[in-house]
Amino acid sequence: LAKTTQPISMDSYEGQEVNITCSHNNIATNDYITWYQQFPSQGPRFIIQGYKTKVTNEVASLFIPADRKSSTLSLPRVSLSDTAVYYCLVGDGYGNKLVFGAGTILRVKS
Amino acid sequence: AAGVIQSPRHLIKEKRETATLKCYPIPRHDTVYWYQQGPGQDPQFLISFYEKMQSDKGSIPDRFSAQQFSDYHSELNMSSLELGDSALYFCASSAPRSGAANTGELFFGEGSRLTVL
Repeated sequence: LAKTTQPISMDSYEGQEVNITCSHNNIATNDYITWYQQFPSQGPRFIIQGYKTKVTNEVASLFIPADRKSSTLSLPRVSLSDTAVYYCLVGDGYGNKLVFGAGTILRVKS
Repeated sequence: AAGVIQSPRHLIKEKRETATLKCYPIPRHDTVYWYQQGPGQDPQFLISFYEKMQSDKGSIPDRFSAQQFSDYHSELNMSSLELGDSALYFCASSAPRSGAANTGELFFGEGSRLTVL
């Protein structure tokens, strides 16, 4: 399984764009990159998934370079409610044994 | 929309007792996953089931067992409970695998908080 590495924590202010980068040097050809958000005492919640280049949805963008050894989750104009732990996961897109590594604690301040 | 239902939400047990957690996946989801999250820890994958068969196994202790039933609900059975088993237990489900149409998104329940005294 591809191992992922993310920053332990990040601080931001309301209204700023936040970019969280994840390294996954051993990503396999059929692996997708998926990001989840987790609030305290709640189950993780799917944010976005991608395979290559750029994916955008209503809450985030995901940038994946050509070599796919890293990916960057971009959260536009964060608010206090975006304070959470963000996890980058790598898997075959069917949810087989999705392994959570150490996530990034994002703290948004006013 | 229906979500993943877990019960009980809270459970308090003594050491060496047994506990059973239940998970009801989103209707028509055929895969169920169990994760354990200790205080301040990241979710740890325990076990998963696809079409009522065990599909993958993670760091599940031998004292734990799980199964998926014909109606796709799943139960996690934990015996000889230890203090270190105190954690949030999450169940997640995913939709049938249908190629490009399936993102493989896991839908998590609210979790069952087990406290072992």
